[in-house]
Amino acid sequence: ETGVTQSPTHLIKTRGQQVTLRCSSQSGHNTVSWYQQALGQGPQFIFQYYREEENGRGNFPPRFSGLQFPNYSSELNVNALELDDSALYLCASSLLAAPGAAKLFFGSGTQLSVL
Amino acid sequence: QQQVKQSPQSLIVQKGGISIINCAYENTAFDYFPWYQQFPGKGPALLIAIRPDVSEKKEGRFTISFNKSAKQFSLHIMDSQPGDSATYFCAARKGGSEKLVFGKGTKLTVNP
Repeated sequence: ETGVTQSPTHLIKTRGQQVTLRCSSQSGHNTVSWYQQALGQGPQFIFQYYREEENGRGNFPPRFSGLQFPNYSSELNVNALELDDSALYLCASSLLAAPGAAKLFFGSGTQLSVL
Repeated sequence: QQQVKQSPQSLIVQKGGISIINCAYENTAFDYFPWYQQFPGKGPALLIAIRPDVSEKKEGRFTISFNKSAKQFSLHIMDSQPGDSATYFCAARKGGSEKLVFGKGTKLTVNP
C-alpha cells in the first residue's frame, strides 16, 4: 500500500452536476498530482499542487479545479460534468525535493460515472 | 498527439517465459522513464525507472533497456509468473517538470 487514500471509491453523478474528490497524501509528502484515467487508457495529467499552489496543469478545461490544504491533503473539483468525464481519477503524492526528481505514489482512485 | 507510444496492447506469456513491452518517444527533453504496474481496482505502482545516461537497469526479474539514439525503451520481465498478470504502463517526464506522460498500457496475461 502506498499510504495515499482517496474518497469516495465510487461515485455516480448526472450530467451538469458538480463533484468533489478527496485525497490524503502519504505521510511526509508535500506534493499532490491528479490524473484522469479513461477506460483502457493510460493516466492523463490534470494538475499538480505544491505548497497549496498549482504547480503545473495539463490540457484540461478550467471547470477542473483543485485545492491543497496545509496538511497536504487535496481536493479535485469538477463543475458542469460531461459524459466524457466518466473515468478513474487518480491522486498521486510525492516529495518535491528537487524538480523532476520525485517518485509518484498513487492511490487506488475514485471511479466516477456520469450519466 | 501521443508522446509515448507503447506496444503491444496485450501480451500472453507462459509461466517462466520472458515478457517484453516496448515504448517509443519523440520528445528529447524527456529525462526520466518509469514503468508502472496496475492491477484491477488499484492505482499504478512504480515498478522500475531509468534515466537516459544508462542503457540498462535491472531490479530482480525486471529490466529496463534504454536506447537513447532510437528514442526507445523496453521492459523485460524474466521468469514471468501468473502474479505478474497486470497492465503495465511506460511513462516519461521532462526535466524540471513533475508531469508524467503515460503510454496507453499493455495488458499482460501469464498463463500457469
